Amino acid sequence: NAGVTQTPKFQVLKTGQSMTLQCAQDMNHNSMYWYRQDPGMGLRLIYYSASEGTTDKGEVPNGYNVSRLNKREFSLRLESAAPSQTSVYFCAAARGTALNEKLFFGSGTQLSVL
Amino acid sequence: GENVEQHPSTLSVQEGDSAVIKCTYSDSASNYFPWYKQELGKGPQLIIDIRSNVGEKKDQRIAVTLNKTAKHFSLHITETQPEDSAVYFCAARARVSGNTPLVFGKGTRLSVIA
Repeated sequence: NAGVTQTPKFQVLKTGQSMTLQCAQDMNHNSMYWYRQDPGMGLRLIYYSASEGTTDKGEVPNGYNVSRLNKREFSLRLESAAPSQTSVYFCAAARGTALNEKLFFGSGTQLSVL
Repeated sequence: GENVEQHPSTLSVQEGDSAVIKCTYSDSASNYFPWYKQELGKGPQLIIDIRSNVGEKKDQRIAVTLNKTAKHFSLHITETQPEDSAVYFCAARARVSGNTPLVFGKGTRLSVIA
């Protein structure tokens, strides 16, 4: 049981390049989330998906797109990477019910944009 | 929307001493307050949470207190050990549904000195 798996673990991009961060969960959870973590800024929500087929913007969605491909997978795409998107990206999943609100995080993707 | 402030940003304690981290929130409708621990190179993990219908919750050396009137909650770690060294995040959520995203504080880096 792997929980939440993110790929790749590390990535270096040049400004203007595009890439997709992949996230998959094997817990059959309903909701999935993408956060970015920057020094001194904590965890900021980029996008989330409350259930399969729905996505919503979080606090910092500009420059990103997401796809909830199916219940297991939630990808984050950078269409034209910028240095300001250098960050550590975390995907998370939660069952999303009243008594099961625990977020399970992946181990992160460290992205550098040069 | 919800805003969560967390203090201090860094905290150093001697092994065996207690550590206290405090958070305030802005939305009086918030009713779920978890704490996450992030070890180096890993994603955050839930360590304890509290709901608005209780004032205190304990789990071994960890306790969380909530003051709804003042809109603040705190994490207390007693008899600290080197393995408690990590970044701790508080969070809050105003319930709309179990899928409503959490808003995180900016984190506290706790160092336990042996």
